[in-house]
Amino acid sequence: AQSVAQPEDQVNVAEGNPLTVKCTYSVSGNPYLFWYVQYPNRGLQFLLKYITGDNLVKGSYGFEAEFNKSQTSFHLKKPSALVSDSALYFCAVRDEMDSNYQLIWGAGTKLIIKP
Amino acid sequence: DSGVTQTPKHLITATGQRVTLRCSPRSGDLSVYWYQQSLDQGLQFLIQYYNGEERAKGNILERFSAQQFPDLHSELNLSSLELGDSALYFCASSVWSGGAMETQYFGPGTRLLVL
Repeated sequence: AQSVAQPEDQVNVAEGNPLTVKCTYSVSGNPYLFWYVQYPNRGLQFLLKYITGDNLVKGSYGFEAEFNKSQTSFHLKKPSALVSDSALYFCAVRDEMDSNYQLIWGAGTKLIIKP
Repeated sequence: DSGVTQTPKHLITATGQRVTLRCSPRSGDLSVYWYQQSLDQGLQFLIQYYNGEERAKGNILERFSAQQFPDLHSELNLSSLELGDSALYFCASSVWSGGAMETQYFGPGTRLLVL
């Protein structure tokens, strides 16, 4: 069965430091991977997605994510964190073998950037 | 702004009551998805409609129902409300029927409080 894990409920980073939010997945076929961000009292905003090709995907707000097939991971990264990056981050995956193409969501990781 | 609109933003009601949440997808999008986000359960997929027809069902209670109208807006009906139904309800839309590479775009959500 397809699944997504975000192993950290919360990540704390000092402003200006690099940040990583982890995501691992399990699917039968090739994965299609997504990152979304949810700011307080707002809806989810699409950040980036991996479909195929270059393992490093660049997205909105300076975020990027690295697809690693051997480790079945799709970690979200940013070289220099901003206080305004503090939010809830969700990873999601679709399995190309799933005829319904359902999007499977991780539980979310709260990112706190301290000044 | 994703282009997905939801009304109302907030809703306060009593147990046993019935409410209707409304969603208008992005212009040109044919699919609408409904999600429930509660504090302890993360993001739960409820149901998907594509061009007026039910396409996929997730963890939707029998007390809940949805429909998509010819103008592609969608309504989520919640009846016999219980305290545990208090949550954020999100609508998302996508262009087609949820293909593997499709991105879902989320509305701002409706916050439901059942007293």
